[in-house]
Parts: sequence; C-alpha cells; structure tokens
Amino acid sequence: QKEVEQDPGPLSVPEGAIVSLNCTYSNSAFQYFMWYRQYSRKGPELLMYTYSSGNKEDGRFTAQVDKSSKYISLFIRDSQPSDSATYLCAMKGTNAGKSTFGDGTTLTVKP
Amino acid sequence: GAVVSQHPSWVICKSGTSVKIECRSLDFQATTMFWYRQFPKQSLMLMATSNEGSKATYEQGVEKDKFLINHASLTLSTLTVTSAHPEDSSFYICSASGGAAYNEQFFGPGTRLTVL
Repeated sequence: QKEVEQDPGPLSVPEGAIVSLNCTYSNSAFQYFMWYRQYSRKGPELLMYTYSSGNKEDGRFTAQVDKSSKYISLFIRDSQPSDSATYLCAMKGTNAGKSTFGDGTTLTVKP
Repeated sequence: GAVVSQHPSWVICKSGTSVKIECRSLDFQATTMFWYRQFPKQSLMLMATSNEGSKATYEQGVEKDKFLINHASLTLSTLTVTSAHPEDSSFYICSASGGAAYNEQFFGPGTRLTVL
C-alpha cells in the first residue's frame, strides 16, 4: 500500500465550478503538506505549503489538512481553463526531508 | 518563489552515449537537490537526494553507476546518464531547497531525454 493515495481522476468540470482534489496518507509522521500544479511537459510548480492541521487560503486556492483523518484537500474556486493541469499532493515529516508524492489528478476545466 | 533552471530542456542521443543534465538554483543557495524521473501520465519517481559537497543518496533500485550525480556547489547539481539506452528515455526533473527556501522544494522545468 502506498504511503500517499490521491484521487486518480481524471476530473472534468465546467468553467466557474468549485474543484475539490484530495489525498489520504498513512504515515502519521507527516507534518508538512504541499500541493503542486504541473502543466504538460513542465516541472511541478508549488501552489500551497501548509504545516500541520488547518486551512490556508491563497486567492482562489484553499488547502485543508486534517491530520486526525490523515486527509488533505485542495479547493479551487471559480475554476478557469488555465487551471487545467495535473495536481500533485506531497508531504514530508521534517522540514529538510524528502517529499512523498501522490500520483496526481489531471483536471480539465472546460470553457 | 525561488527559481530553478535545467539545461538542456530536451536532448536526443544515440544508445551507448552519456548525457549530462544541469540543474541550477538561480536566486538561492540549494543545500539539497533532488532528482526525479517521470514517465508519461505517471507521478514523480525520486531517484536520488544530494547535499552540497557530499555523495548522493540513491533510492532503492536506482543504479548509482548509471546515474551519476554531482552537487559540487550550492547552485549547481548535475545528473549524468551513462551509456544511455532507450529504456532511459524519460522526463528528468530536479528540485532544490535551501537558504530562505529551506523548507520548500522548487522544481526545475525538466529535461526530456530520448535515447534512440
């Protein structure tokens, strides 16, 4: 069983929809949680970085961490066609540690 | 955010040749660099972690003699694929952390390697 499981998708939504992307994990030592966006044939881009449980908001993006349930989410409000990409969750136990990535969810936002 | 560059962005080579990929942190000192490979529609697979001035730590199943990693300075790491074969064709991505970005990992744009 993988340490990090990500909803596989693909996900297709109309423009303006609210998108929910989710990951679960099994390692209770994870404390740092990240979401990356990766466009086709490009390197991943860090979107959100959170520590421990709670919510973090940045523009149209909200990251949510529930350590008790070992569950993290990324919400995208008012989704745009430019949000079409693969989204990767990642997590690690320490600041300097290596990250464990989910397999990614491919999102398509249709105009 | 911090900027990481990779060179070349794509390379085509003949089977049996060696290919070097450079990864640079442009605006911060990267004490740690990571090398990943990614096959189409698959997630990132960590190959190795390198700290400046020391030997890289390779993940299980990754041949250290085939994938040579050098992290000689705080802004440069190189991955050399030796005696490349068609099965080495993949997307290679580096990431870096350190300095003010010590707790975050910033990725380069990737290098697409095609071995004929």
